[in-house]
Amino acid sequence: DVKVTQSSRYLVKRTGEKVFLECVQDMDHENMFWYRQDPGLGLRLIYFSYDVKMKEKGDIPEGYSVSREKKERFSLILESASTNQTSMYLCASGPVYEQYFGPGTRLTVT
Amino acid sequence: KNEVEQSPQNLTAQEGEFITINCSYSVGISALHWLQQHPGGGIVSLFMLSSGKKKHGRLIATINIQEKHSSLHITASHPRDSAVYICAAITNSGGSNYKLTFGKGTLLTVNP
Repeated sequence: DVKVTQSSRYLVKRTGEKVFLECVQDMDHENMFWYRQDPGLGLRLIYFSYDVKMKEKGDIPEGYSVSREKKERFSLILESASTNQTSMYLCASGPVYEQYFGPGTRLTVT
Repeated sequence: KNEVEQSPQNLTAQEGEFITINCSYSVGISALHWLQQHPGGGIVSLFMLSSGKKKHGRLIATINIQEKHSSLHITASHPRDSAVYICAAITNSGGSNYKLTFGKGTLLTVNP
C-alpha cells in the first residue's frame, strides 16, 4: 500500500515562528503536492514538485516556501507564521490523476 | 465564480436513502475525481472518470462532458457513508502540467 506520512497530526505555533511541515512518501513518486484545506474554501494548492530540487507555485504560495532535497520528502515551510495560516495542511504524492493523500496536519497559529 | 461547483454543501439523509451529490465545472478538463474524506481522516480517491459511468459497490459516478456536469450517487446509504465528498477536476496548468481543481466539498450525514 502507498503510504504518505506527515510529521504531525496537530501543531500549535506562535505568530512569527518558523514552521516546518514534513511529508514523506514510500512509493518513489516523482510528484508531490502541498494543499491547505479551509471550511468554505475547500482544498487549495500551495506548491508542488515534479522532481528533486524542483518546485512550482500553486494557487496560493504567498507566505510559504518548500524544499525537496530527496525524492521521498517534501517539506512545507512557513517562514514567519501568521494567524491566517491556521488551517489543515495536506500533503499528497503521485500522478495528478492518482494522488495519495497524507492524514493531514492541523496547524493552529496563536 | 469557482471553476468547480458542488451542491449541496450539506446533506442529511436517513439510512437507506438514495443520495445524489452534484458537481459542475466551467473549465476544460481531462478527467474528474470523486474523493472521500472522513472526519479527522485523510482523503481517498473513489473514482476517476472522463466519460460515462463507473460503479463500485453502492457508489455510482456519472459524467456528462457536454454539459460539464458529474454526479455521485450512493444507493442504500449507511451511517458509515457519512463523510465529506469532494469533486476535483483535472485541468491543464500550462504546457504538459496538470493539476487538480477542487470543489468545496459536500458534507454528508447519514442518520441511523
